[in-house]
Amino acid sequence: AQSVTQLGSHVSVSEGALVLLRCNYSSSVPPYLFWYVQYPNQGLQLLLKYTSAATLVKGINGFEAEFKKSETSFHLTKPSAHMSDAAEYFCAVFSPTGNQFYFGTGTSLTVIP
Amino acid sequence: SAVISQKPSRDICQRGTSLTIQCQVDSQVTMMFWYRQQPGQSLTLIATANQGSEATYESGFVIDKFPISRPNLTFSTLTVSNMSPEDSSIYLCSGQGAGNTGELFFGEGSRLTVL
Repeated sequence: AQSVTQLGSHVSVSEGALVLLRCNYSSSVPPYLFWYVQYPNQGLQLLLKYTSAATLVKGINGFEAEFKKSETSFHLTKPSAHMSDAAEYFCAVFSPTGNQFYFGTGTSLTVIP
Repeated sequence: SAVISQKPSRDICQRGTSLTIQCQVDSQVTMMFWYRQQPGQSLTLIATANQGSEATYESGFVIDKFPISRPNLTFSTLTVSNMSPEDSSIYLCSGQGAGNTGELFFGEGSRLTVL
């Protein structure tokens, strides 16, 4: 079975600082990996996805993530945090063989002015 | 990306009543799912909405409590029956496209508070 682990349920960064949200997965086959963002009182919006092409994936709003097979990680980064980045972020794994989607427990990002 | 519309966006309900949430997707979606997101938590899959047949429920969820319909490819409803305060959650409709990357699209969610 697949699993997704997000280290740190709450992350605080200063405005302008680097954002790093961690995600590790367990998978016996190469998965598809996703990051979603949920702003207050909204649904989930896709930030970026990895589907076995380039290992460094660029998404919306300046976010990017790097797939590292050896570390089974898919950490999300942004060079400079903006106040509008404050939200809940979810890492997710999709298993094509079972057509199952697995979500991490989420990381709440706070940006300090 | 697919467009998914959900209503109501929020509601406050009395204990013991039922509420039906509607979800409309555009034609890019093939699979439809219903998720529950309890306060401060991640998403839990309730069921897969199957077109023209009974939904496929995940462990811990039953049809009597969460009846689901999907009469056609682009529309589904979820009913939360005989509600209790423990049912206070965000209920999210999601859709998956026909491509093999498995990407899920989400509606805005229905925020349900049960008093």
